[in-house]
This record gives sequence, C-alpha cells and structure tokens, in this order.
Amino acid sequence: EVQVVESGGGLVQPGGSLRLSCAASGFTFSNYAMSWVRQAPGKGLEWVSSISAGGSGTYYADSVKGRFTISRDSSKNTLYLQMNSLSPEDTALYYCARRDASGWYSLDYWGQGTLVTVSS
Amino acid sequence: EIVLTQSPGTLSLSPGERVTLSCRASQSVTSTYLAWYQQKPGQAPRLLIYGASSRATGIPDRFSGSGSGTDFTLTISRLEPEDFAVYYCQQYDNSRLTFGGGTKVEIK
Repeated sequence: EVQVVESGGGLVQPGGSLRLSCAASGFTFSNYAMSWVRQAPGKGLEWVSSISAGGSGTYYADSVKGRFTISRDSSKNTLYLQMNSLSPEDTALYYCARRDASGWYSLDYWGQGTLVTVSS
Repeated sequence: EIVLTQSPGTLSLSPGERVTLSCRASQSVTSTYLAWYQQKPGQAPRLLIYGASSRATGIPDRFSGSGSGTDFTLTISRLEPEDFAVYYCQQYDNSRLTFGGGTKVEIK
C-alpha cells in the first residue's frame, strides 16, 4: 500500500526555521518525483515545491524561493523541506504528495499533512 | 504563470442532482496536464481526474472530466451524499503546478 507520512511541523517564531520530513513506503521512491503543497487555515491549495525522481531538478513557488529547500534521500525513502526565514504567511498544513510517473503531472497520493504555525 | 479560476465558488445542491464545475485558465493548458481533486473536511485531497478526462484508480464513473485549451469541466452525473466536498482543478506548466481556488459543493 502506498503511504506518505509527514512529520516535523510545529510552532515556530517569525524568522525561525523548521525542517519537514515525509516518509514514503509501498512504492519505489527513487522512481517518483515528489511535491509539497500547503493549505493555509480555511484556504485553498498552494503548490510549494517539487523535486525530480533523481533529485537533480528542484522547483519552487515564487512565495518560497530562496527561503525553502526541497531535498530527498532515496536510501531512507524520505523527502524533506527545509524552511528558513519563516513568516506568519507560511502558517499552513503542509502536504507531501507523490507525482504520477506516467507524465500526467498530477499528484496521485497525498499524506495527511503536518501543521506549521508561525507566531510569536 | 497560468491562473486557474473556478466557478462558482459554492454550489448548493441536493443528492441525485447533476453538477457541472468549471475551471478556466488564463492561457491555454495542455490537456495532459489538467487534474481534478476532491477534498473533504479534515482530509487530504484525493485525485479524481488526470489528463483532463481520465478517472483515477477507484473513482466512480459518475465523475467525468472534459475540456481543452482554457476551459475544463468536472461533471458529477448524480450527486451521492459522500460527494459533498470542495473540488480543485490543477495544471502543470513550466515546472510549476497551480491550483484553482476551489468550488464547494454543499447540501441544499
């Protein structure tokens, strides 16, 4: 069974840092591109970042570019999101999602999310 | 950046009704790269449709997608009680994903 499980969320002060993790199981992690998508309380979905299957390609939304870094460790089947210079606008539920491998660029499996709250 | 606009924002309907949700793009979208998701309260989004018209694994055939260019549609032929949720469209272009603002389908 395909599973992705996020962790690492919490309360952080403005200007602080946090690293999110996403543990993947039930599929060959190294064959799939992965993404982070966030959802602010009561709001819609916002794409944050994606990484290619091999890890050489990384992509970011303008709202996080230069502050967030996506990475992956295929030996641990884990995706990461390093978040620096956090602001209250980054408060959201952060989802990890697997991108389909067939070229459709849809997100076919999602975790339940980890909550990041940026507040003093 | 391609902007996706979903309309209406909210639909109030009764079980058994047919519903059509709209997703309009600010510029042409490759149909291969257009997807629809369903999200229920407290749950993660679930992929419904990919490639504009292909149903994802396990999705009932009352859900269908269509469209091309800048206009795409998600149709639910007959609303079931479990279909009341928020629906999002999503597209891929130039290494970026963008989502529409969502349409909430609520019980009338």
